[in-house]
Amino acid sequence: DQQVKQNSPSLSVQEGRISILNCDYTNSMFDYFLWYKKYPAEGPTFLISISSIKDKNEDGRFTVFLNKSAKHLSLHIVPSQPGDSAVYFCAASVRSGANNLFFGTGTRLTVIP
Amino acid sequence: EPEVTQTPSHQVTQMGQEVILRCVPISNHLYFYWYRQILGQKVEFLVSFYNNEISEKSEIFDDQFSVERPDGSNFTLKIRSTKLEDSAMYFCASSVTFLLGMSNGYTFGSGTRLTVV
Repeated sequence: DQQVKQNSPSLSVQEGRISILNCDYTNSMFDYFLWYKKYPAEGPTFLISISSIKDKNEDGRFTVFLNKSAKHLSLHIVPSQPGDSAVYFCAASVRSGANNLFFGTGTRLTVIP
Repeated sequence: EPEVTQTPSHQVTQMGQEVILRCVPISNHLYFYWYRQILGQKVEFLVSFYNNEISEKSEIFDDQFSVERPDGSNFTLKIRSTKLEDSAMYFCASSVTFLLGMSNGYTFGSGTRLTVV
């Protein structure tokens, strides 16, 4: 039951370029979306979030875009840095209900110096 | 920066044995969670806990699983009789509030890798 999908298991980008990580969801009840970053041997770390009432949220080098009609969100990192190399998880939730998160399978980003 | 602490970092147990995974959430947080990630798969919700009771649980969280907040600081996950398929990374998380938008998501611990042999 894959309610949140990240179809690209890996992505390689040159340092300084833009990284675009994609995520699709199927449950139209989701109204809050988050991106987490995970390094090996660590837990997921919150990166950025967006509510369904918005279509864009920006925080420094990170921007999340939400297209509700397409049930698609993306994370843009620009410029990409080698320290951004990690696994990125998209997650979704229904805020009016229990706020458990539904995660995608993750995309491993490698930023090449 | 406040952290969620999990112990042990790695636990190896024989099939059929009971295990207890321990977590110390951030001190002013009120909501506590367990998630797990089987190797190569997605992170999956197990259970959420508030005010000394379970507020939500997934279908993974069957009768073999239980959670407890035995004192003011610890939050534990017990697996009564472990199976091979319980092998996974188990993450504890906590949040200040139920409203994700205000809490900026949960704070996760570093995880306990459980290996059932």
